[in-house]
Amino acid sequence: EPEVTQTPSHQVTQMGQEVILRCVPISNHLYFYWYRQILGQKVEFLVSFYNNEISEKSEIFDDQFSVERPDGSNFTLKIRSTKLEDSAMYFCASSSQGGWETQYFGPGTRLLVL
Amino acid sequence: AQSVTQLGSHVSVSEGALVLLRCNYSSSVPPYLFWYVQYPNQGLQLLLKYTSAATLVKGINGFEAEFKKSETSFHLTKPSAHMSDAAEYFCAVSVSRDDKIIFGKGTRLHILP
Repeated sequence: EPEVTQTPSHQVTQMGQEVILRCVPISNHLYFYWYRQILGQKVEFLVSFYNNEISEKSEIFDDQFSVERPDGSNFTLKIRSTKLEDSAMYFCASSSQGGWETQYFGPGTRLLVL
Repeated sequence: AQSVTQLGSHVSVSEGALVLLRCNYSSSVPPYLFWYVQYPNQGLQLLLKYTSAATLVKGINGFEAEFKKSETSFHLTKPSAHMSDAAEYFCAVSVSRDDKIIFGKGTRLHILP
């Protein structure tokens, strides 16, 4: 069964460093998403991406964040200058259509900022 | 704005007993509702979803949920718990004009032998 994959599974970085989290969505999907979950808190929407542009972003997704689909398979989340509060589990998801169509989630990348 | 509230961050049931995980939603427009499950070290997997068709929705692994508009609830049930059901369960809501999903805080289900 097709699945969303994410790399790395764990990332430790120093505050102020840049990190890139990578995702490979399901191959025929057109809609891509990033969510995050700070330990003990809710899973929160960050951004949705369709047709090579951001379709919606949350208040969390400020100028330090960016997303890119550099080629036909990868979808990346870049955090330019990490802060301690960016420590969280980051989930990538993809769907074949937007709206309420099922979003398929990856296993997540656990980011720890020291 | 939409939101979901999951009652109980931890629920323990005995193997073979009824599983009931509670979720209440808030939405100004007709919602789409979801239950996702997360097994240890895995991603979020869709259990079932309500999209304004039948109010009783059947999902995978014997789970089902009933949409009750009068109670703004979408509780998840399973008649007989199995050890393999131990996981974290997330209730979530979306609306047609937005494609983001709003998640609850999750309920960790423990199965007692």
